[in-house]
Amino acid sequence: EDKVVQSPLSLVVHEGDTVTLNCSYEVTNFRSLLWYKQEKKAPTFLFMLTSSGIEKKSGRLSSILDKKELFSILNITATQTGDSAIYLCAISGGGADGLTFGKGTHLIIQP
Amino acid sequence: NAGVTQTPKFRVLKTGQSMTLLCAQDMNHEYMYWYRQDPGMGLRLIHYSVGEGTTAKGEVPDGYNVSRLKKQNFLLGLESAAPSQTSVYFCASSYLQGRAKATNEKLFFGSGTQLSVL
Repeated sequence: EDKVVQSPLSLVVHEGDTVTLNCSYEVTNFRSLLWYKQEKKAPTFLFMLTSSGIEKKSGRLSSILDKKELFSILNITATQTGDSAIYLCAISGGGADGLTFGKGTHLIIQP
Repeated sequence: NAGVTQTPKFRVLKTGQSMTLLCAQDMNHEYMYWYRQDPGMGLRLIHYSVGEGTTAKGEVPDGYNVSRLKKQNFLLGLESAAPSQTSVYFCASSYLQGRAKATNEKLFFGSGTQLSVL
């Protein structure tokens, strides 16, 4: 059974801090790892990673995958209150049943 | 730019009542999914469909039924609602997966349905 573990489950920091969110996984077949941001409603796509060591960046957010050690990190620098959300990590095994999600990290940015 | 549309957005049921949640996508996606999200549990797959007329069970299918009569629609039914089915339900769709050259596997989500069963 595929398994995705995120840590921490919740995190409270001050605006301007840098945060690192963790995602480790155990899967039978690995195709890709995806990060989503969920504010009040639907999760929205952030990154998809398929190869080790290649950093994906989008503004203040970046992510990297280590396929040998089976984990990924999501970094957010110079955090803003708008970064407050649940961040979801998911694994695709390439099968028809879509993605396996972790429980998410609830990030709160205090002014 | 409708994407994935879910109806209704909110619903309150009494134990034993039935209801259907509707999901519609206008992106011509082959795959569609129903997830439920509970506090501390993440997103869990209920049922999914790989194309019109086909459905399959996910991780937590008990108490739910689905139908995919048209490619753009995926219906989730609760025949006899129970308090344990109180949750937020998300529909999602994606491109055809499993082909050697497929590179985009991200799911597109609807805005969710908040269901309370009393």
